[in-house]
Amino acid sequence: DQQVKQNSPSLSVQEGRISILNCDYTNSMFDYFLWYKKYPAEGPTFLISISSIKDKNEDGRFTVFLNKSAKHLSLHIVPSQPGDSAVYFCAASGGDMRFGAGTRLTVKP
Amino acid sequence: ETGVTQSPTHLIKTRGQQVTLRCSSQSGHNTVSWYQQALGQGPQFIFQYYREEENGRGNFPPRFSGLQFPNYSSELNVNALELDDSALYLCASSLGPGTGNTGELFFGEGSRLTVL
Repeated sequence: DQQVKQNSPSLSVQEGRISILNCDYTNSMFDYFLWYKKYPAEGPTFLISISSIKDKNEDGRFTVFLNKSAKHLSLHIVPSQPGDSAVYFCAASGGDMRFGAGTRLTVKP
Repeated sequence: ETGVTQSPTHLIKTRGQQVTLRCSSQSGHNTVSWYQQALGQGPQFIFQYYREEENGRGNFPPRFSGLQFPNYSSELNVNALELDDSALYLCASSLGPGTGNTGELFFGEGSRLTVL
């Protein structure tokens, strides 16, 4: 059951521009949403989260937006840097955590 | 503070065999979750253990089983291995299950299982 979906398997962005990664979910019982970043040969690492009672959370270059009515969240990275190149997973928590399939971000110098 | 460690990092088994994967949780964490990540996919939730009891399970058959020990370390056991069990198995620890907290997970580097 795909409760969390990332429909874009890959995204390529020029250094300095904005990267926007999207995620949709189906279960309205999720109460926290998180983004994880994964480099090759490493486990996913936590990036940023947002509670279901908020619509925006910002941490430096990273901002997560939540639209509960549309069951959609997005991660904005501004400005994008080559070191941001990784696979980004969207996750939703409601007791246990469910992940999307991931989006591979490539930031070109 | 030590992070999440998993062993072994790589292993190869043949169809029908059994495998045990091990995980040491991060210091202070009492909850361990196991995920299966097949190539090109996101982590799929197998189950979660909280204070030595199973506390939630994903859509995996009973031949996937687990344990959590008093020191909160954990094992994942898979019996009667199938070719489709080939994947990266990720262990993650957290401060606790349930709602009311972000449930942020701290992952190990994973155990890559190949079934021939």
